[in-house]
Amino acid sequence: AQSVSQHNHHVILSEAASLELGCNYSYGGTVNLFWYVQYPGQHLQLLLKYFSGDPLVKGIKGFEAEFIKSKFSFNLRKPSVQWSDTAEYFCAVNSRNTGKLIFGQGTTLQVKP
Amino acid sequence: DSGVTQTPKHLITATGQRVTLRCSPRSGDLSVYWYQQSLDQGLQFLIQYYNGEERAKGNILERFSAQQFPDLHSELNLSSLELGDSALYFCASSSDRDWRTEAFFGQGTRLTVV
Repeated sequence: AQSVSQHNHHVILSEAASLELGCNYSYGGTVNLFWYVQYPGQHLQLLLKYFSGDPLVKGIKGFEAEFIKSKFSFNLRKPSVQWSDTAEYFCAVNSRNTGKLIFGQGTTLQVKP
Repeated sequence: DSGVTQTPKHLITATGQRVTLRCSPRSGDLSVYWYQQSLDQGLQFLIQYYNGEERAKGNILERFSAQQFPDLHSELNLSSLELGDSALYFCASSSDRDWRTEAFFGQGTRLTVV
């Protein structure tokens, strides 16, 4: 069955620290990959997406993610976090075959000023 | 503003009751997804509709049902409510004309069962 695993449940960083959030998915077919962000009290918003092509994708607010097909991974990175990046981050995957958009458990990022 | 509208924003009801949550997708979007978000379970996929037809099913209880109407709005019906059904329910929509599209989320309906 299609599933998404996020390794870090709660991450605490100081401002200007670098961020990397892990995401692995299990599905052998062609997939689309996404990272969504949920700021406190708000709905989920798309950070970035990978459909095909260059495995390094850039999103909004300085975030990027790298798709490594051999590792079934799509890790999210940001070189220097800001206090305003405090939020919950969700990795998600869908596939042509299943039609389901499945999310990981989410990672809560707390950035200390 | 994502363009996806959910009503109501908040709902408080008693155990055993039935409620209906409503979602209006973005203009032109054919797919509607429903999710349940709770502290212990995270963001759980419930069900997806595409142009009025059920397309994919996730961890949706038998007490829950959904439908998508000809005007593409969708309703999620929750019946015989239990305390554990208290959660944030999100609706999302996507155009899905080509499967490579992202989903846009509404603000959610916070359901509290007392």
